[in-house]
Amino acid sequence: DTGVSQDPRHKITKRGQNVTFRCDPISEHNRLYWYRQTLGQGPEFLTYFQNEAQLEKSRLLSDRFSAERPKGSFSTLEIQRTEQGDSAMYLCAGLAGNGELFFGEGSRLTVL
Amino acid sequence: AQSVAQPEDQVNVAEGNPLTVKCTYSVSGNPYLFWYVQYPNRGLQFLLKYITGDNLVKGSYGFEAEFNKSQTSFHLKKPSALVSDSALYFCAVRDRGSTLGRLYFGRGTQLTVWP
Repeated sequence: DTGVSQDPRHKITKRGQNVTFRCDPISEHNRLYWYRQTLGQGPEFLTYFQNEAQLEKSRLLSDRFSAERPKGSFSTLEIQRTEQGDSAMYLCAGLAGNGELFFGEGSRLTVL
Repeated sequence: AQSVAQPEDQVNVAEGNPLTVKCTYSVSGNPYLFWYVQYPNRGLQFLLKYITGDNLVKGSYGFEAEFNKSQTSFHLKKPSALVSDSALYFCAVRDRGSTLGRLYFGRGTQLTVWP
């Protein structure tokens, strides 16, 4: 158990609907990362936060995607007007002081 | 630019035999290197990392990896494979000089250990 929890673990939605994922890292993780993993691929970086500040966004993060980390604790990733191509596992990770990334179990999105 | 290559999509070994999962990397500066393992429908679990020092790094579950700077490789090894080692393995790299901390992952290698 890495201490990073994600919710929901699995979300099935219809194309065009909005979805939101939540990540709760442990308190020591001042840096928080979102990655996306599609079948047959390694995780791809989406965005990262240093405390509450969003410091970098990948070009994979279209304007339909938004991420927040209010108060530097939990984080949310929202996808608006979902498309079938958004179907993937969304992984959250916290960065420990020794440079290790601790991943949550992921939130799997299926867009019908 | 940083990148990681895992040249084998699949590795199959018999239980008790040694295993190797290959990884090569490209990074503009000096690398931090990592191996993660993923079981079905689960997140990634940290196995081991190379930061500095001894080129042979020992990690969880009897795994080890050897950093080879001249060949820009970081192959994962285990002397005697177990059926329970069957999983998806990811190599990852981070530029030591980067303040961003993000990892670049390979595509993964599916390891199957036959009883």
